[in-house]
Amino acid sequence: EVQLVESGGGLVQPGGSLRLSCTASGLTVTTNYMSWVRQAPGKGLEWIAVIYTDGRAYYADSVKGRFTVSRQNSNDMLFLQINGLSAEDTAVYYCARVLQRPAAYAMDVWGQGTTVTVSS
Amino acid sequence: DIQMTQSPSSLSASVGDRVIITCRASQIISSYLNWYQQKPGKAPKLLIYAASNLQSGVPSRFSGSGSGTEFTLTISSLQPEDFATYYCQQSYSIPLFGGGTKVEIK
Repeated sequence: EVQLVESGGGLVQPGGSLRLSCTASGLTVTTNYMSWVRQAPGKGLEWIAVIYTDGRAYYADSVKGRFTVSRQNSNDMLFLQINGLSAEDTAVYYCARVLQRPAAYAMDVWGQGTTVTVSS
Repeated sequence: DIQMTQSPSSLSASVGDRVIITCRASQIISSYLNWYQQKPGKAPKLLIYAASNLQSGVPSRFSGSGSGTEFTLTISSLQPEDFATYYCQQSYSIPLFGGGTKVEIK
């Protein structure tokens, strides 16, 4: 079974940092495009980052310079390093597999999400 | 940047109703449009990719159409398990989701 499991969320003070993890089973993170998507409480979905198979990463303007996506090949893990947190970053963070053409870069496998709460 | 306008933002419908949700892009995105369903407390689920392709395992009452700038998601006969929030997502450029459509019980 193809599965993604996020971890690492929690309560953090403004200005703090967290590293979120996404553990894959049944798929290899290095041979797939992988994205992070977040959802603030009661709000819609917001795409925040993608990492391609060649290692290139792209970010939404809202997180550029503060968030970094990376991979650990040996354990099939994806990470999201988040720095300079503010209340606006409070959200459930999902990792997802991104299908390549011709599937229009749709996200077909999602984790259950991990919650980040930024508060003093 | 491409903007995505999804409408309506919410609707009330009865079991058996035909439901149509629209997504408009601010510029041509070819068929780089995907649809997701999300239930409360759950991760989104891919329904339709590349505008009109049904994801494996998704019931055939769901269909997508459109290209260019205007797209629709149709549920031909609404079922109890379909009450949820639906999102479109363009993948022509930096991915962007529409604002969502909450489908509620009438």
